[in-house]
Amino acid sequence: NAGVMQNPRHLVRRRGQEARLRCSPMKGHSHVYWYRQLPEEGLKFMVYLQKENIIDESGMPKERFSAEFPKEGPSILRIQQVVRGDSAAYFCASSPAGTGGYEQYFGPGTRLTVT
Amino acid sequence: SQQGEEDPQALSIQEGENATMNCSYKTSINNLQWYRQNSGRGLVHLILIRSNEREKHSGRLRVTLDTSKKSSSLLITASRAADTASYFCSRQGGSEKLVFGKGTKLTVNP
Repeated sequence: NAGVMQNPRHLVRRRGQEARLRCSPMKGHSHVYWYRQLPEEGLKFMVYLQKENIIDESGMPKERFSAEFPKEGPSILRIQQVVRGDSAAYFCASSPAGTGGYEQYFGPGTRLTVT
Repeated sequence: SQQGEEDPQALSIQEGENATMNCSYKTSINNLQWYRQNSGRGLVHLILIRSNEREKHSGRLRVTLDTSKKSSSLLITASRAADTASYFCSRQGGSEKLVFGKGTKLTVNP
């Protein structure tokens, strides 16, 4: 059973470009979470999705950031018109269900560098 | 801040010694989860302890939870150089999101 997959592992974008980060949850998991980690910091929650639904986006910046988890295919975190401050590691996690406090299994992350 | 806060921020010990890391939080929780992160890598789940539990073990790891003091501790016994990593506690309250602290950076010297 493959773990959570994220790609690309490293992404370099110039200011103003778009960044698309992909996450495939573990098999059988229908809940996906995105977190962002700045250097020497802990992870900060961004968004929680189930298939075709955004459940909690309280950690998402109001502008330029969006996320989706379509019926088919991976979850996508999209950052439009990237700025240097978007440089960070973006981690995706998945769990089999949302209620009851299940472990969240993390992917290896995508390291975004904005030049 | 509603974050969990780990203490100490950094810890350096010799192989074979025990390492204790603490975590405090401010609001009520459903559970608390400890993760390990090796430099530049993803997070590895270590232990989940629910709010009605006081202690859990997994191999050389022991986690305690004191909800009256809103604190938890992670003990690694007989540490090894391979235990060198950052350790994070994360709390899960009324929503499904995990709230992380800044972590404890553990160095185990051979």
